[in-house]
Amino acid sequence: KQEVTQIPAALSVPEGENLVLNCSFTDSAIYNLQWFRQDPGKGLTSLLLIQSSQREQTSGRLNASLDKSSGRSTLYIAASQPGDSATYLCAVRRGGGSARQLTFGSGTQLTVLP
Amino acid sequence: GAGVSQSPSNKVTEKGKDVELRCDPISGHTALYWYRQSLGQGLEFLIYFQGNSAPDKSGLPSDRFSAERTGESVSTLTIQRTQQEDSAVYLCASSFGVRGNSPLHFGNGTRLTVT
Repeated sequence: KQEVTQIPAALSVPEGENLVLNCSFTDSAIYNLQWFRQDPGKGLTSLLLIQSSQREQTSGRLNASLDKSSGRSTLYIAASQPGDSATYLCAVRRGGGSARQLTFGSGTQLTVLP
Repeated sequence: GAGVSQSPSNKVTEKGKDVELRCDPISGHTALYWYRQSLGQGLEFLIYFQGNSAPDKSGLPSDRFSAERTGESVSTLTIQRTQQEDSAVYLCASSFGVRGNSPLHFGNGTRLTVT
């Protein structure tokens, strides 16, 4: 059974800092990995999706990397802003078969202090 | 609309009552998913639809839970004889295509409270 772990559970940084959020998964036979952010009382917003054949994806100040063999992904946020404060979730979709559901980590709650 | 729409946004019900939650996916999205998010917990997969068929119902926690989908449109999640442990945020997501390589788009969820 796939298990997804995110460390740290919570992180507080001053505005302007670069930061890294970590995600690890136990079964490397994944189809893709997706990073989301969730604001309080809201649904999830997709940030980046990395296919299993890719090593990284970039969108603006966000960069996500994937090392499938070691079961790890990182989300790098450059020049953090208070508006980046949210919970960040990673999720993996397993490879093969007809199953399409994602397995989620418990998230990292990020607070960027002005 | 432009995004996934869920209704109601909040629902308070008494233990033992039935509830029905609704999800309108993004137009053209063939895949639809239901997840549950309990306080302090990660997202728990419930059921997945491809069109109006459900290839994967493995996450439904009990036979009190059921879901339907009309074509490639609206889905309803029904919980019968609600229990307090059913209290959670129920999230719906949709995605385009069948190959699983398109991102999921989530609604804002329905917050269910069973008293």
